[in-house]
Order: sequence, then structure tokens, then C-alpha cells
Amino acid sequence: DTAVSQTPKYLVTQMGNDKSIKCEQNLGHDTMYWYKQDSKKFLKIMFSYNNKELIINETVPNRFSPKSPDKAHLNLHINSLELGDSAVYFCASSHHGNQPQHFGDGTRLSIL
Amino acid sequence: TQLLEQSPQFLSIQEGENLTVYCNSSSVFSSLQWYRQEPGEGPVLLVTVVTGGEVKKLKRLTFQFGDARKDSSLHITAAQPGDTGLYLCAGANAGGTSYGKLTFGQGTILTVHP
Repeated sequence: DTAVSQTPKYLVTQMGNDKSIKCEQNLGHDTMYWYKQDSKKFLKIMFSYNNKELIINETVPNRFSPKSPDKAHLNLHINSLELGDSAVYFCASSHHGNQPQHFGDGTRLSIL
Repeated sequence: TQLLEQSPQFLSIQEGENLTVYCNSSSVFSSLQWYRQEPGEGPVLLVTVVTGGEVKKLKRLTFQFGDARKDSSLHITAAQPGDTGLYLCAGANAGGTSYGKLTFGQGTILTVHP
């Protein structure tokens, strides 16, 4: 009964490819997020959605496109992957925007 | 752009020692959250402090929010090897275009040696 689950856990791919990461939460939360954690463990928000509506869109290349088919799911599609995209990507959710966030276990993306 | 300066970045201590981690900012936050992250897992919330001057205790961990809601500290008493991990502070904003946005500190990697 995992609260926030993301797949896959590991993603190894070539530069230039397109890939997707999926996230699902079973907590009944309204708000979901994508974060990027770099090699120095710094966690930075990329996007947030509230009830399927985009709320936060930080300065992220437009190769990254989030999609929220319903409030329990927030997927992240990345086009034309670059070496600098290598990182751990975390999905999170919260009841509302300022409530504590529950994180998934991350997807480690490695670009060859 | 809001920034949270977290220090120290690395802390390596012996079991039984005390330690303090600091988070400082020039910006005011509506609340300050502390998370702990273990290898291969996502951050897990430890505590949220909301009121200026607030102090919360979680067993051997004491969290404090500054009076002006710009800074916070985490103090661990008699550290144990099980406390080893990455500690993250995160400031939350009240609303508007920052709705739900958490600004994270750089993290403190704590290692407690037996």
C-alpha cells in the first residue's frame, strides 16, 4: 500500500532519446509535484499540479512536459535527453499546496 | 528568488555526541519543514514548524523556528548510528504564485559512528 509510487526506479538511456516517468498517489491528495535532485543532493522543484491544473512551472527546459490525467497521477515526459538531465527525479504529493509533502522513492535517470 | 542556507553540509560525529544543523534565510516563510532522506529513498517529513519562536521535540530531536520565521535549527542530543542520513530543511510560502512551493536547503549529510 505504497503512498506515492513512481516507475521506473532506474532508467538508463542514450542521449537524444525520449522517456517517461510515471507517478501515482493513493493518499487522496489534491496537489502533486516533480522535483529534481542533483549529484550534490540539492532538491529543486520543477512542477506542481493542483487537481490536474498546472500551478508551478519553474525554469525548466520545455523538453520536460508534465501531464496529469487525474489528480492521483502526474507523469513526466522528457524529450531529447541530454547528459545534464542525469539526476534523481522525485514525485511528491500533499493535501493542499502548503501541507507537508509525501515523496516517492525516486527515479534515478542516467544518460549515457 | 528565495534561498535557504543550510549548514553544515557534512557532519561526522561519534555516537553520543550532540549536534546542531542550521537553516538561514533573508526571506520569511509561512512554515519550515524538516525532512530526513535515506539512500535510495525519498525525503520523509520529520516536523513542521509554523509559529515564530516555536519549539518542537521529537524524542532526541529538537526543532526551533526563529522569531522572525526566517531561520530554523535542528538539534540532536546523544546521536546514534540510526540518525545517519541526509537532513533537509524546506521553507514553504503562503500562496499566490508560490502556492505549494518548497524551497529546500542544500542538505546536511550526517554520519554517526558507533
